[in-house]
Amino acid sequence: DTAVSQTPKYLVTQMGNDKSIKCEQNLGHDTMYWYKQDSKKFLKIMFSYNNKELIINETVPNRFSPKSPDKAHLNLHINSLELGDSAVYFCASSQDGAGGRANEQYFGPGTRLTVT
Amino acid sequence: LAKTTQPISMDSYEGQEVNITCSHNNIATNDYITWYQQFPSQGPRFIIQGYKTKVTNEVASLFIPADRKSSTLSLPRVSLSDTAVYYCLDTGRRALTFGSGTRLQVQP
Repeated sequence: DTAVSQTPKYLVTQMGNDKSIKCEQNLGHDTMYWYKQDSKKFLKIMFSYNNKELIINETVPNRFSPKSPDKAHLNLHINSLELGDSAVYFCASSQDGAGGRANEQYFGPGTRLTVT
Repeated sequence: LAKTTQPISMDSYEGQEVNITCSHNNIATNDYITWYQQFPSQGPRFIIQGYKTKVTNEVASLFIPADRKSSTLSLPRVSLSDTAVYYCLDTGRRALTFGSGTRLQVQP
């Protein structure tokens, strides 16, 4: 069984569209994250949810909105897509909150978003 | 802005021991040092974590000196499948910050 899964794996869309990326973890973890990895391969955290509550919200445009219907799911909705949103988006989860010992994060396979 | 500094790339040959060093000049007292591995087209994978001295698991060893300003990830007898990007992080009770990582290329 896949621990952290994301759908879709690839997403190609046009500027201005709205799209969502779904993430599910079956590890029973309390905390989930969204990261963005750009073309230069820098991996940056975007959001973190702990038990359905937002605990980290880095400086990302308001067009990005995370939604957590339950603690096993953290979806990412993006409005009015722009060329600069093209990147690989990774979902992750961990048992503890951000940082600290035993904060081993399990990452999903990534979603490659291409905006044309 | 990444808080750690590590070499951009390293080359090695199969069967050799590889040591990747990281500088943790801004590490906080309560931070741990954690290393992740990332293969192309995959998410990062946790390798090892420590606070000080030496930690060893089935994959690697982690050496942390007393001042904790640096750490060294040691991969024994690397194989082609160890070709990946390796990230070192200070992990505290805040958002994780990944740097640019070290791209390890293992040659036959």
